[in-house]
Amino acid sequence: KQEVTQIPAALSVPEGENLVLNCSFTDSAIYNLQWFRQDPGKGLTSLLLIQSSQREQTSGRLNASLDKSSGRSTLYIAASQPGDSATYLCAVGAGGTSYGKLTFGQGTILTVHP
Amino acid sequence: NAGVMQNPRHLVRRRGQEARLRCSPVKGHSHVYWYRQLPEEGLKFMVYLQKENIIDESGMPKERFSAEFPKEGPSILRIQQVVRGDSAAYFCASSPGAGQNTEAFFGQGTRLTVV
Repeated sequence: KQEVTQIPAALSVPEGENLVLNCSFTDSAIYNLQWFRQDPGKGLTSLLLIQSSQREQTSGRLNASLDKSSGRSTLYIAASQPGDSATYLCAVGAGGTSYGKLTFGQGTILTVHP
Repeated sequence: NAGVMQNPRHLVRRRGQEARLRCSPVKGHSHVYWYRQLPEEGLKFMVYLQKENIIDESGMPKERFSAEFPKEGPSILRIQQVVRGDSAAYFCASSPGAGQNTEAFFGQGTRLTVV
């Protein structure tokens, strides 16, 4: 059974700081991995998707890496801004008979203060 | 191009009533997924549907819960005889296909409160 863990559970940083959010998963036989952000009381916004054959993806100030063999992914946020404050969720996509199912971590609550 | 639309956004039901949650996927998407987010917990997979078919319902409670995605119209998650423990945010996601580079797009969720 796939389990996804995110560390830290919460992070508070001053504006402008570069930061790293961590995600680990127990079963390396993944199909893909997605990072989402969730604002309070809102839905999920997809940030980046990494296919199992890829090592990293970049979008603007965001960079996500994937190391399947060690069961880890990191989300790097450069030059953080108060608008980045949200909960960041890592989700692992399964293939095979479990295709379509995303297993989520508990999330990292990020607060960027001015 | 509208994203995933869920309604209602908020739903209050008394214990024992039925709750019907609707999800209209992104236009052209034929894969729909339902997830539940209980208070203080992460999102948990419930069910995966394609048009008129349930592909994977391994996350659905065995009783009172059902889901459908008819040929025409939105996907429906139905909860019969609701109990307080059903109070949660229910999210629907859709995707266009089955590839590794296929993103899942999520709706805003329906927040169900059972009183």
